[in-house]
Amino acid sequence: EVQLVESGGGLVQPGGSLRLSCAASGFTFRSSWMSWVRQAPGKGLEWVANIKQDGSEKYYVDSVKGRFTVSRDNAKNSLYLHMNSLRAEDTAVYYCARDGVVGATISTIFDYWGQGTLVTVSS
Amino acid sequence: QLVLTQSPSASASLGASVKLTCTLSSGHSSYAIAWHQQQPEKGPRYLMKLNSDGRHSKGDGIPDRFSGSSSGAERYLTISSLQSEDEADYYCQTWGTGIWVFGGGTKLTVL
Repeated sequence: EVQLVESGGGLVQPGGSLRLSCAASGFTFRSSWMSWVRQAPGKGLEWVANIKQDGSEKYYVDSVKGRFTVSRDNAKNSLYLHMNSLRAEDTAVYYCARDGVVGATISTIFDYWGQGTLVTVSS
Repeated sequence: QLVLTQSPSASASLGASVKLTCTLSSGHSSYAIAWHQQQPEKGPRYLMKLNSDGRHSKGDGIPDRFSGSSSGAERYLTISSLQSEDEADYYCQTWGTGIWVFGGGTKLTVL
C-alpha cells in the first residue's frame, strides 16, 4: 500500500524558515518523480515544486523560486521542502504527491497524496 | 498560458448523475488531464487520467460510477448513482513545460 506521510509543519514568523518532510512507503521511491502541492485556507490546490527521481531536475512555481528548495533522500525514502523567507501568503496545508508514471522522464499527474501538514506564517 | 477552468459549484440529487467540466485554455486542447477528489477535511484523492480522445485510466479502487470523456478542449467527469460521500471538491490538473496546473475546483453538493 502506497503511503505518504508529511511532517514538519507548524507556526513560524514571517521571514522564518521551516523544513517539511514526506516519508514514503509501499512503492519504489527512487523510481518516481515527487511533488509538493499546497492549499491555502479555503482555497484550491496549487503546485509548488517537484523533483526528478535522481534529483537532477527540479521545478518551482514562480512565487517560491529563490525561497524554497525541494530535495530527496532515496536511501531514506524521503522527500523534503526547505522553506526560507516565509510570508503570510505561504500559509497553507502542504501535501506531498507521487507522480503517476514509474520511471517517467517528466512528471505528469499525481496519483497518490499524503494527508498534508499545516504551515502557518504569522507574527 | 496554460489554464484550466472549472465551474465553482454543481449540485445533483442522491442517486442521480452529474457531469463536471474542465476546460483547457486556447491552444492546449490536446492535453491530457487528471481528475482529483477532495472530501471535506481530507487530502486529495486521484480519480483518473483522461486523454483528449476520451480514453481514461482510473486510480486504485475508484468505483465504476466514475467515468471520463472529452470533447475538444473540454474534459468531463461523470459521476453516476450519486452517493452522499461523493459530496466533495473536484479538481482537474494538467502539466506543461516546467509547470503543473490545477483548475480552481468544483464544489459538488449532493442534495
